[in-house]
Amino acid sequence: QVQLVESGGNLVKPGGSLRLSCAASGFTFSDYYMNWIRQAPGKGLEWVSYISSSNTYTNYADSVKGRFTISRDNAKNSLYLQMNSLRAEDTAVYYCARRYCSGGSCSPDAFDIWGQGTMVTVSS
Amino acid sequence: QSALTQPASVSGSPGQSITISCTGTSSDVGGYNYVSWYQQHPGKAPKLMIYEVSNRPSGVSNRFSGSKSGNTASLTISGLQAEDEADYYCSSYTSSSTPYVFGTGTEVTVL
Repeated sequence: QVQLVESGGNLVKPGGSLRLSCAASGFTFSDYYMNWIRQAPGKGLEWVSYISSSNTYTNYADSVKGRFTISRDNAKNSLYLQMNSLRAEDTAVYYCARRYCSGGSCSPDAFDIWGQGTMVTVSS
Repeated sequence: QSALTQPASVSGSPGQSITISCTGTSSDVGGYNYVSWYQQHPGKAPKLMIYEVSNRPSGVSNRFSGSKSGNTASLTISGLQAEDEADYYCSSYTSSSTPYVFGTGTEVTVL
């Protein structure tokens, strides 16, 4: 079935680095824009980054620009998020999510498949 | 980019209809027909319920409907059921440097 599975979350000290991974299965991964979206404990959702289907375009939230890097390997059906200079406020569950497409048309505002999330805790 | 404004909580009895509002600005909700809604049960990932203001993905109950007027979008749940008890988030495309913004979230309680 269509599935996204995140991994790589951990406890890290402020200023440290972490790399998250998201393994996709059940769909043609290379056809879809992919996103990272996070949720701090007890808080709302925050979009973090997206990458285009062919690795050409990326975009980041202002809160992570210059510190996080999104990438993908279509041959491995995998999405990544390299997080550097981590701060306490980066503590959250990180979800990978697929941009919604239907009937050959993709909606720029919707994310239809989400992983179960991976927890990142930044604390000394 | 500030989060879109939603009521913290909305409640209703089984069978009733409720409406959740999502207020933004002309740079997001009011400027584009790109508003989506998500349902999130505790400890679970969000689920897409509405996209592009009023469209339902395949498999989503027609008890869920979306609309927009000016800078405010709305999600209506009709025939409220116990399984609808969850948190709901709106999201919009924006013209700012951060292209997507989510709402503050609304906790729906079925009385």
